[in-house]
Amino acid sequence: GAGVSQTPSNKVTEKGKYVELRCDPISGHTALYWYRQSLGQGPEFLIYFQGTGAADDSGLPNDRFFAVRPEGSVSTLKIQRTERGDSAVYLCASSLFGSTKEAFFGQGTRLTVV
Amino acid sequence: AQSVTQLDSQVPVFEEAPVELRCNYSSSVSVYLFWYVQYPNQGLQLLLKYLSGSTLVKGINGFEAEFNKSQTSFHLRKPSVHISDTAEYFCAVSEYSGGSNYKLTFGKGTLLTVNP
Repeated sequence: GAGVSQTPSNKVTEKGKYVELRCDPISGHTALYWYRQSLGQGPEFLIYFQGTGAADDSGLPNDRFFAVRPEGSVSTLKIQRTERGDSAVYLCASSLFGSTKEAFFGQGTRLTVV
Repeated sequence: AQSVTQLDSQVPVFEEAPVELRCNYSSSVSVYLFWYVQYPNQGLQLLLKYLSGSTLVKGINGFEAEFNKSQTSFHLRKPSVHISDTAEYFCAVSEYSGGSNYKLTFGKGTLLTVNP
């Protein structure tokens, strides 16, 4: 597609459940980022992939959060044993490895843990 | 570690008035600077960026920003706003690390409301 696609757009889950959030980056973009945006806050960095590998996962809040990008394209953010504090909009961004340094963002997945 | 401060959480203005949204950053190394806009129920869209060179950068929709290294600021300006500029604006920085990781640190955002 033309832009970064994230699915689902909305997800409501019960506390303690497992969720997966999907990001389909712009074709050819090797860099992929996940961010989390809580209500009234700016996005916060979670993890960065260059190709298939997680090059920087320093923003993941704890070991309940995990992300993969097995073929260097689509990425999945996985959250185990969800807590109400995980409720936020999860944003994905992709960019070309190069000089523009511009990240293109998807519309996000709004996760609500009840 | 880098940080970004957006000094105003909300800025109400009248249509056709000028506006300035303030942004200050803190970093121990060279940075790249960005302004993103988020319209209701939409993703983040890049307005403009400063990478190097001229400190005055122009972006889309008539916005411009000036990088001031001594004051560590990157304020966003528009000489005449429209109703359609109503949105949340985020300032962000990325540290120059020499690698390929350009992760962004965002401010908390400024809600610009343009009234008729």
